[in-house]
Amino acid sequence: QKEVEQDPGPLSVPEGAIVSLNCTYSNSAFQYFMWYRQYSRKGPELLMYTYSSGNKEDGRFTAQVDKSSKYISLFIRDSQPSDSATYLCAMSGPGGLTGGGNKLTFGTGTQLKVEL
Amino acid sequence: NAGVTQTPKFRILKIGQSMTLQCTQDMNHNYMYWYRQDPGMGLKLIYYSVGAGITDKGEVPNGYNVSRSTTEDFPLRLELAAPSQTSVYFCASSRQGTDQLTDTQYFGPGTRLTVL
Repeated sequence: QKEVEQDPGPLSVPEGAIVSLNCTYSNSAFQYFMWYRQYSRKGPELLMYTYSSGNKEDGRFTAQVDKSSKYISLFIRDSQPSDSATYLCAMSGPGGLTGGGNKLTFGTGTQLKVEL
Repeated sequence: NAGVTQTPKFRILKIGQSMTLQCTQDMNHNYMYWYRQDPGMGLKLIYYSVGAGITDKGEVPNGYNVSRSTTEDFPLRLELAAPSQTSVYFCASSRQGTDQLTDTQYFGPGTRLTVL
């Protein structure tokens, strides 16, 4: 079993739709939960992060963590064509957003396409 | 401020050839990383460095070597290229300053390598 599981998609939605992207994980030591966005032929960039459980909102984006279920989600409201990208979840233990002395564990990414 | 730059963008190698992937950052970051990204596999850490003269293995170091003689540069060396090293390689850096837990990794645009 992989430490982090992510549905690869592709996911195609109409403009304005609400998008839900999800990851499940098995390592209960994870404390930092990140979402990276990767445009085609570009490097990943950090979109949002959450420490421990709960929700975090940033504009049209909401990140949720449910540690009891080992499940994280990223919601995109009013999706736009510019949101078309691959979304990677990533997780780490107490070392913070770079993992400290330990590595980050990435999901495989979900490819999202928002169509006009 | 260019961020993290990588050269070359693309390269095709024959089995057994060697090459160096270049990575430079102009943000005066202490930490630098090399990842590879394979379809359906997520990002895997190859090597990382916490400062000039200090490097350490990541999750998948076999077949690669690194050096860090300056803060800015972190080249990745492939000595005997194999088809299994066909991948997209990303270099990243992070500051690791006083608030280390929320320092983030900044990724370069990647090098697409094919070994035939």
